[in-house]
Amino acid sequence: GAGVSQSPSNKVTEKGKDVELRCDPISGHTALYWYRQSLGQGLEFLIYFQGNSAPDKSGLPSDRFSAERTGGSVSTLTIQRTQQEDSAVYLCASSFGDGGFYGYTFGSGTRLTVV
Amino acid sequence: AQTVTQSQPEMSVQEAETVTLSCTYDTSESDYYLFWYKQPPSRQMILVIRQEAYKQQNATENRFSVNFQKAAKSFSLKISDSQLGDAAMYFCAYRRYYSNAGNMLTFGGGTRLMVKP
Repeated sequence: GAGVSQSPSNKVTEKGKDVELRCDPISGHTALYWYRQSLGQGLEFLIYFQGNSAPDKSGLPSDRFSAERTGGSVSTLTIQRTQQEDSAVYLCASSFGDGGFYGYTFGSGTRLTVV
Repeated sequence: AQTVTQSQPEMSVQEAETVTLSCTYDTSESDYYLFWYKQPPSRQMILVIRQEAYKQQNATENRFSVNFQKAAKSFSLKISDSQLGDAAMYFCAYRRYYSNAGNMLTFGGGTRLMVKP
């Protein structure tokens, strides 16, 4: 597609439930990133996929968070047993090769509210 | 670890005037990238300008320019002839130069820019 697509745009879930957030990167972009933006805060790195390499999971805040990327394209971020502190905007970005040179394209994010 | 600091939570500018947003960062590396991103209410992060640390010349993109002071680890964004559409959150971001160290961006806390008509 023309841009990075994320779904759903907004999600309200009850505490303790599992949620899945989807990211569809720009076709041909080899790298995909997930970031979390808490209210009024900057972006916090969560996880990074590059081609067929093992993902860099160093930013995941707990083992309740996991992500996968199927076929080098679509990615799903899963949060198990959601907590109120998980409420945030989850942003996905993709880049062609080295994002430092070509830049990163972000989606519009999923706003997750845990009640 | 690298850190990025934006000391101005909010800034205000009159339409058609010039405003400068501040950013400082901490790193022990000599090669890296710096970015300014704009986030309007739509939430999508939009790249405004990027700078490679090894380039001495300050980057410019139309009304947007940076003042990159490598020794001072400072990377400020100047917006000239401010327009109502410039109102947004602005984030400064750092990325290590070599991709084998990870391609992720480290962001500052953001500055909310308001433009007065």
